[in-house]
Amino acid sequence: TQLLEQSPQFLSIQEGENLTVYCNSSSVFSSLQWYRQEPGEGPVLLVTVVTGGEVKKLKRLTFQFGDARKDSSLHITAAQPGDTGLYLCAGAGTYKYIFGTGTRLKVLA
Amino acid sequence: NAGVTQTPKFRILKIGQSMTLQCAQDMNHNYMYWYRQDPGMGLKLIYYSVGAGITDKGEVPNGYNVSRSTTEDFPLRLELAAPSQTSVYFCASSYSKTISSYEQYFGPGTRLTVT
Repeated sequence: TQLLEQSPQFLSIQEGENLTVYCNSSSVFSSLQWYRQEPGEGPVLLVTVVTGGEVKKLKRLTFQFGDARKDSSLHITAAQPGDTGLYLCAGAGTYKYIFGTGTRLKVLA
Repeated sequence: NAGVTQTPKFRILKIGQSMTLQCAQDMNHNYMYWYRQDPGMGLKLIYYSVGAGITDKGEVPNGYNVSRSTTEDFPLRLELAAPSQTSVYFCASSYSKTISSYEQYFGPGTRLTVT
């Protein structure tokens, strides 16, 4: 069974701080995605990483795929209250995705 | 484009009742998925479909059934509702010619309570 563990589970920080969220598995994935979900809504895709070692930047967000394609990280620089939400990683298997356990982020003004 | 639509938005069921959660997409996506999300948790895959007439089980299929008679629609059926099925249900769709690069588009969810 493929599992994706995210850490930390909860994170509450002050505006302007930096943070990193981790997504780890013992399985290899062909690609890995990061989603953000706000209360009462479905997840929205932030990024897809495909190549081992790949780094992608989306404004203040930096995503990295591990060399062995078993893990990933999301780093947020100078967090803002608008970054508050549930962050989910998802690993792509054959035809289907396995979602991580989620990291709930709260950024205080 | 409406994207992925789900109905109803909310529903309360009594134990043992049945219902169908509707999902439709207008993007001509061949892949469709049903997930459930328990409070504060990630998503667990219930069933998925890679095209009309083809469905397969995900991680947590027990107590659910699906059908895919058209590309657009992918209903989820609960036959005998149980309190453990209280959750938020999300439908999603995607399309890609390469497995590793497709984006899932999610519907707004159906919040189901079984009492």
